[in-house]
Amino acid sequence: DVKVTQSSRYLVKRTGEKVFLECVQDMDHENMFWYRQDPGLGLRLIYFSYDVKMKEKGDIPEGYSVSREKKERFSLILESASTNQTSMYLCASRPRTATRGQPQHFGDGTRLSIL
Amino acid sequence: AQRVTQPEKLLSVFKGAPVELKCNYSYSGSPELFWYVQYSRQRLQLLLRHISRESIKGFTADLNKGETSFHLKKPFAQEEDSAMYYCALSNAGGTSYGKLTFGQGTILTVHP
Repeated sequence: DVKVTQSSRYLVKRTGEKVFLECVQDMDHENMFWYRQDPGLGLRLIYFSYDVKMKEKGDIPEGYSVSREKKERFSLILESASTNQTSMYLCASRPRTATRGQPQHFGDGTRLSIL
Repeated sequence: AQRVTQPEKLLSVFKGAPVELKCNYSYSGSPELFWYVQYSRQRLQLLLRHISRESIKGFTADLNKGETSFHLKKPFAQEEDSAMYYCALSNAGGTSYGKLTFGQGTILTVHP
């Protein structure tokens, strides 16, 4: 069974801080994703990575950056946290495959509050 | 641009009643569609994918390309079906890497 682990379930930070959210997967998946989940907005893609050191912007990358130094680990970075980044953050992984219908596997999420 | 719309934010039914969660999409290519579910205090997990044409926990969903819909249905709702449901679309072909576009989500409440 795929295991996607996010380092913190709850996190409270202050505005202006640099915040790191960590995600690790144990299935050797090439593709990893960061989403934020907000009521009424669903999940929105922030960034994704398709290989070590490779990344692409999603739909809402502003104010965020990512790092993928190892295949199993994908970090989301809030360069200078702001209150509008208070949200639930979800990490997901998926193998690189041409097989249709391959789903993404999600972590438990990190509920981040910026004060 | 691809888009997924779930018109109902909230849906309430009584136990044993039929339930239908609506999902419409816009996409110019050949879509891959999924339903994900999030039960209280649990992680988001896959419920159904259109490619499998399967029934999971009594739920089914049929892709209707003419109406660009992928509605989720269950003939007899159970209390344990209460959860948040997301419809999602992937353009997994080419170099898309399987990115998902999600709808806004529907909270289903099944009353006893």
